[in-house]
Amino acid sequence: AQKITQTQPGMFVQEKEAVTLDCTYDTSDQSYGLFWYKQPSSGEMIFLIYQGSYDEQNATEGRYSLNFQKARKSANLVISASQLGDSAMYFCAMREDYNYGQNFVFGPGTRLSVLP
Amino acid sequence: AAGVIQSPRHLIKEKRETATLKCYPIPRHDTVYWYQQGPGQDPQFLISFYEKMQSDKGSIPDRFSAQQFSDYHSELNMSSLELGDSALYFCASSLGQGLNQPQHFGDGTRLSIL
Repeated sequence: AQKITQTQPGMFVQEKEAVTLDCTYDTSDQSYGLFWYKQPSSGEMIFLIYQGSYDEQNATEGRYSLNFQKARKSANLVISASQLGDSAMYFCAMREDYNYGQNFVFGPGTRLSVLP
Repeated sequence: AAGVIQSPRHLIKEKRETATLKCYPIPRHDTVYWYQQGPGQDPQFLISFYEKMQSDKGSIPDRFSAQQFSDYHSELNMSSLELGDSALYFCASSLGQGLNQPQHFGDGTRLSIL
């Protein structure tokens, strides 16, 4: 079964508008970490934001914020004031407690296109 | 700030050849991960090392091996290369293995098998 689901293969947003990229996850662990990465067309993977399962507040990093709904097992990424440079693939990833210190599981990604 | 360094950036090989990919983690990072990303795919975990010991193994083929050296750099050795090995190979590093530790990725090595 898919551990991470990103239901939007592609999204479009107008420059300067906000956009939400969906991520739902599946785990039976109480302790886990959720991460978002950006992959531009040039290929590099850029870490954006982290949310811990025990964090009571939603994580924020500049224009990025995470809408974390633990009961729904969702960790949606919100990008405010979109810029042309935000056009990229966005991956949601999870690290679980039983997998302590080991790999991430990535979702299939969402391709975001920002329109001028 | 120093990032994860991977070399080479691009590599072209023929079937049945061997290849070695190198990774230099961020200074003080003790954990290294290797991923393979096929075209249009998400990264797939291959193998990881913590303090020079293998810590986990994912979908790494038996034809591949890797190690982490005393200076914490890591090498991924690939033998009997196949067309399906064409992919972007990422190395990532982290400081420790805590749940809250993000993995910082290098720019990747793009391997093309002819």
